[in-house]
Amino acid sequence: QKEVEQDPGPLSVPEGAIVSLNCTYSNSAFQYFMWYRQYSRKGPELLMYTYSSGNKEDGRFTAQVDKSSKYISLFIRDSQPSDSATYLCAMSISGAGSYQLNFGKGTKLSVIP
Amino acid sequence: DAGITQSPRHKVTETGTPVTLRCHQTENHRYMYWYRQDPGHGLRLIHYSYGVKDTDKGEVSDGYSVSRSKTEDFLLTLESATSSQTSVYFCAISDSLGLAGAYDTDTQYFGPGTRLTVL
Repeated sequence: QKEVEQDPGPLSVPEGAIVSLNCTYSNSAFQYFMWYRQYSRKGPELLMYTYSSGNKEDGRFTAQVDKSSKYISLFIRDSQPSDSATYLCAMSISGAGSYQLNFGKGTKLSVIP
Repeated sequence: DAGITQSPRHKVTETGTPVTLRCHQTENHRYMYWYRQDPGHGLRLIHYSYGVKDTDKGEVSDGYSVSRSKTEDFLLTLESATSSQTSVYFCAISDSLGLAGAYDTDTQYFGPGTRLTVL
């Protein structure tokens, strides 16, 4: 069993919908949580970062961490066709100076105009 | 793309031939990584480097070797390519997010990828 599990989708929603993307993990030592966005035929790019538990909001995006349930979420409000991409969660144990990230397999999202 | 280039961007080769992929960074970062990405498997770490001439194996290192003779270059070699090595290969570098105290962590920045087909 991988340490990070993510539903691969695909997930298809109409434009303007609220999207919820999720990952579960098994290692309670994870403290740093990230979401990457990957457009087709491009490299992943960092989208959101959260330390420990709680929420973080950036425009239409909200990242949520529930360490008690070992569950993280990314919410996208008012979804746009330009949000169509694969979203990967990633997490690590250590802070600055660490180098190992544990990635989920990614969820492919399509936002239909 | 955080000062990372990969070459070639596309390559088609035949089974049994050697292949070398190059990753070049202009950020002077210590850590560099090679991943492969395949449907159903996500990103899988092949090898990584924590300094010049310092490398270590990742999750799927069999059939691959790496070298890092300069900070800016990290080479991935398939000594004898097989069809199972058809994939998209990503190079990454890592750096601190630059936040204060315990909030700070490293994250990885990815290159544009190399699409390799082994016939």
